Amino acid sequence: QMQLQESGPGLVKPSETLSLTCTVSGASISSSSYYWGWIRQPPGKGLEWIATVYYSGSTYYSPSLKSRVTISVDTSKNQFSLKLSSVTAADAAVYYCARGRKYCSSGTCLLDYFDYWGQGTLVTVSS
Amino acid sequence: QSVLTQPPSASGTPGQRVTISCSGSSSNIGSNYVDWYQQLPGTAPTLLIYRNDQRPSGVPDRFSGSKSGTSASLAISGLRSEDEADYYCAAWDDSLSGPVFGGGTKLTVL
Repeated sequence: QMQLQESGPGLVKPSETLSLTCTVSGASISSSSYYWGWIRQPPGKGLEWIATVYYSGSTYYSPSLKSRVTISVDTSKNQFSLKLSSVTAADAAVYYCARGRKYCSSGTCLLDYFDYWGQGTLVTVSS
Repeated sequence: QSVLTQPPSASGTPGQRVTISCSGSSSNIGSNYVDWYQQLPGTAPTLLIYRNDQRPSGVPDRFSGSKSGTSASLAISGLRSEDEADYYCAAWDDSLSGPVFGGGTKLTVL
């Protein structure tokens, strides 16, 4: 059974960098059929896509966060990671990692849907 | 402000049929598939409907999805207490080159 598990500090100071890792088990992160992504949910609010990575290292970012976000993949460890710099209170949220099905049509590929999600990890921003 | 628009709340009594709407634009719903996610209290979202109207294995056929133009709907028939959750629509957005979500609809079973 496929599982994703987020890990990283639950408390980050303002202006510092948030770093999270997602460990994938029960499936290979090197599959050509999937993307791997991060989604966040501020307390009491909705879902926001942050970034997506392909096993080859290709990356895709939300335009609103692009200047502060880095996503990367480590196929040898079956993991992918997120870094968000210069955090503020607005970045406090539950951060989810998820697997995204790849869909290609007429030579263009996109993320179709997220079929597996991690349990989420709460990140608080406070000094 | 979410790119896709959902009503913040919906409600129904056990056994009833409830629908939740999701409105977008030509760059997302109008040209791409719509997915729906269910988030039970205190848990991570799970895929409920994909590609407009497809149900993953294990999702009861009480749940159904549809799409028309730049809008989509999720219907839940035979409402049960365990359906009380937040529901999110999502779609790829060609302008943003990424997936976008609705703001979520909190379903209450009265």
